[in-house]
Amino acid sequence: AQSVTQPDIHITVSEGASLELRCNYSYGATPYLFWYVQSPGQGLQLLLKYFSGDTLVQGIKGFEAEFKRSQSSFNLRKPSVHWSDAAEYFCAVGAAGGYQKVTFGTGTKLQVIP
Amino acid sequence: DVKVTQSSRYLVKRTGEKVFLECVQDMDHENMFWYRQDPGLGLRLIYFSYDVKMKEKGDIPEGYSVSREKKERFSLILESASTNQTSMYLCASSQGRRGIGPQHFGDGTRLSIL
Repeated sequence: AQSVTQPDIHITVSEGASLELRCNYSYGATPYLFWYVQSPGQGLQLLLKYFSGDTLVQGIKGFEAEFKRSQSSFNLRKPSVHWSDAAEYFCAVGAAGGYQKVTFGTGTKLQVIP
Repeated sequence: DVKVTQSSRYLVKRTGEKVFLECVQDMDHENMFWYRQDPGLGLRLIYFSYDVKMKEKGDIPEGYSVSREKKERFSLILESASTNQTSMYLCASSQGRRGIGPQHFGDGTRLSIL
């Protein structure tokens, strides 16, 4: 069965600083990988996804993520954080060929300080 | 834009009541999902459906049932609500029969069982 680990529960960064959120997955074959963001009181919104091909994936709001098979990682990055990026971020892994069952990580809450 | 609408943002019910949570999507998606979200646990899949009248158990189906009589509507039922079912419930939909597609989420229903 697939699993996802987000080792950081809470991260605080200064506005304008760079950001990296960690995600490690466990899955036997090539996974489908996602990053979602959840603003307070709202549902989740897709930031980006990796299915195959280029291992560096660009998403919305200036985010990118890199798939590293050797490290079983799919870390999310942003070069310069804005106050509006404060939210909770979820990494998720899906099983190729299955009936779209996706496993979510426990989330990383991002705080942005001025 | 895909819209997933959950019938209530906040709901308060009493122990032992039968509770219905409704979800409607407007993009003709084949797949629909119910998750519960609890602090520190991320999103956990309760049930999903990949076609009308079809349902599959997720990771935590105990105490819940679902109904999908029409493609656009997926209902979650708490047969006899208990206090440990107090949580945020998220509905999602996605397209594609065997591939993995991004999930689109509703804004959630915060359910309190007293």
